[in-house]
Formats: sequence, C-alpha cells, structure tokens
Amino acid sequence: AQSVTQPDIHITVSEGASLELRCNYSYGATPYLFWYVQSPGQGLQLLLKYFSGDTLVQGIKGFEAEFKRSQSSFNLRKPSVHWSDAAEYFCAVGAVFSGNQFYFGTGTSLTVIP
Amino acid sequence: SQTIHQWPATLVQPVGSPLSLECTVEGTSNPNLYWYRQAAGRGLQLLFYSVGIGQISSEVPQNLSASRPQDRQFILSSKKLLLSDSGFYLCAWRRQGRLTEAFFGQGTRLTVV
Repeated sequence: AQSVTQPDIHITVSEGASLELRCNYSYGATPYLFWYVQSPGQGLQLLLKYFSGDTLVQGIKGFEAEFKRSQSSFNLRKPSVHWSDAAEYFCAVGAVFSGNQFYFGTGTSLTVIP
Repeated sequence: SQTIHQWPATLVQPVGSPLSLECTVEGTSNPNLYWYRQAAGRGLQLLFYSVGIGQISSEVPQNLSASRPQDRQFILSSKKLLLSDSGFYLCAWRRQGRLTEAFFGQGTRLTVV
C-alpha cells in the first residue's frame, strides 16, 4: 500500500539556520514526489516536485529536495531559514499517470524563532 | 490560467444537519478532482476523487458523499453531519495525463456543533 511518513511532527529552528524536513515513502511503482507548504487557514502551495532525472531538485523560495531511492526518502532542505518560512509542510506521493490517488504525509509544522 | 474556487470558506453547522461544499475549476477541461479532509495533527486524508462526470471513487467509508454533476464541479455532501465531520476540507484538481501536480483550493473550515 502507498504511504508517506513524515517522522517530525514539529520542528523549531532559529532564523538563518539550516533546515531539513524528512519524508519517507512506500510506493509500488515509480513515484512522483512532491513537497507542499501550507500557511495557516490556507490551501497548499507546491514547493517542488520530482519524477526522474537529477535527484536533487530545486524549488521555489530557496528550497531543494533530494530523492534517495535506496532510502525511499525525499527530504526537503533550505540553507538559511527566514521567519516567513514558518508553516506546515507536506510531502506527497502520486502516480505517474493522473487519475489516481495522491497521498500525503501527516505534515511537519515549522516554527522559526528570531 | 487555471483557478480553483471553493466555498464557503467557513461553516458552522449543527449535528444532524445536511452539508454541501462546492468546488469549481476554471480554465481547464476534464480535470481530475479530489476532496481531502485535514484534521488537526492528522495530515491530509483523501476522501474522494473523480476522473470524469459521474465517476466517483471513495477512499474511506464515512458519513460523506461526493458528486460531479458537471465537468469542472465537485460537490461534497452529507445528509446528517456528525461531530467527527469537523475539519478543514480541501478541494484539488490535477490535469489528465502524466507528470502533473495537484492544485488546491483555499479550503473550507467546517465546525459541527
């Protein structure tokens, strides 16, 4: 069965520090991987996506993620966190072909302290 | 450009009352449509998805139902709300075909009292 695990429910970092949010997936076929960000009371915005090719993908707002097939992981990173990055972050896995399910992890809440 | 509209933004309903949440997509045709529920601390749970008019797939047994009466309209309903139906409901769409991400509406905060 498909699943996505985000082991960290909540993370607190200082502004300017580096950030890594963990994501592990279980998927029977070739996965299509995503990171989304959600501000309080809002919908989800796509940060980046991966299907194939270079395993290090760049996204918006200075985020990047690395796909590691051997570890079934797709961790999100940012070298220097800004206070505006405080939000909820969701990792997701979807089928290569649309029309099928799109599964999300339980999310990681990020707090940024000055 | 494509946009997705979801309403209402907030809703407070008594237990046992009916529910109707609507989602429409503009600027595209034949999208795949999804309803998710987000409960506190539980992430996003896929409730229903649809690949075409009248075609609904349910992911979990529950008190809710979905319908797609038109190509770009997706409705989430309940005949009698339960307290456990409270949550944040998100509609999303995805293009048909390969390598497409999902785009989300702004959500509906439902509180059942």
